[in-house]
Amino acid sequence: QKEVEQDPGPLSVPEGAIVSLNCTYSNSAFQYFMWYRQYSRKGPELLMYTYSSGNKEDGRFTAQVDKSSKYISLFIRDSQPSDSATYLCAMNAGSARQLTFGSGTQLTVLP
Amino acid sequence: AAGVIQSPRHLIKEKRETATLKCYPIPRHDTVYWYQQGPGQDPQFLISFYEKMQSDKGSIPDRFSAQQFSDYHSELNMSSLELGDSALYFCASSLESPNSPLHFGNGTRLTVT
Repeated sequence: QKEVEQDPGPLSVPEGAIVSLNCTYSNSAFQYFMWYRQYSRKGPELLMYTYSSGNKEDGRFTAQVDKSSKYISLFIRDSQPSDSATYLCAMNAGSARQLTFGSGTQLTVLP
Repeated sequence: AAGVIQSPRHLIKEKRETATLKCYPIPRHDTVYWYQQGPGQDPQFLISFYEKMQSDKGSIPDRFSAQQFSDYHSELNMSSLELGDSALYFCASSLESPNSPLHFGNGTRLTVT
């Protein structure tokens, strides 16, 4: 079993919808949690970064971390066609800097 | 803002040849990471460097080696290439601080024929 499990999708939503992307993890040493967006043939682009339980908001994006349940989510409000991409959750322990990624969720926002 | 620069963007090699990938981190970032992403796969950690010293090692084959230079750029050297080495290779950089997130370049697409 992988250390990080991500809802695989693919996910297709109409423009303006609220999107929920989710990951669970098993390693309680993970302390830092990230969401990356990856367009085709491009590198992962950092969207959100958090290290504490609770919510963090940045524009249309909200990252939610629940360390007690080992569960993280990314919410996208008012989704746009330009949000169509693969979303990767990633996390690491403080002492080990390399990231462990989820398998990614492919999102399509239909105009 | 300056990002992580990787070169070349695309590389085509034959089996058993060698390849060198280059990475220029974001200015003032002292830590560099290399990741390999196969088709439809999530990125897999290969190796990282901090202040020119190897800091962590992941699933990097013995045929691959890497180093970080005094200007903090890094090179990934791949020898005896195999068909299975065809993938996207990403470099990421960060500050050494544990709460500094990783920023990725746009990758080098390596095709081995």
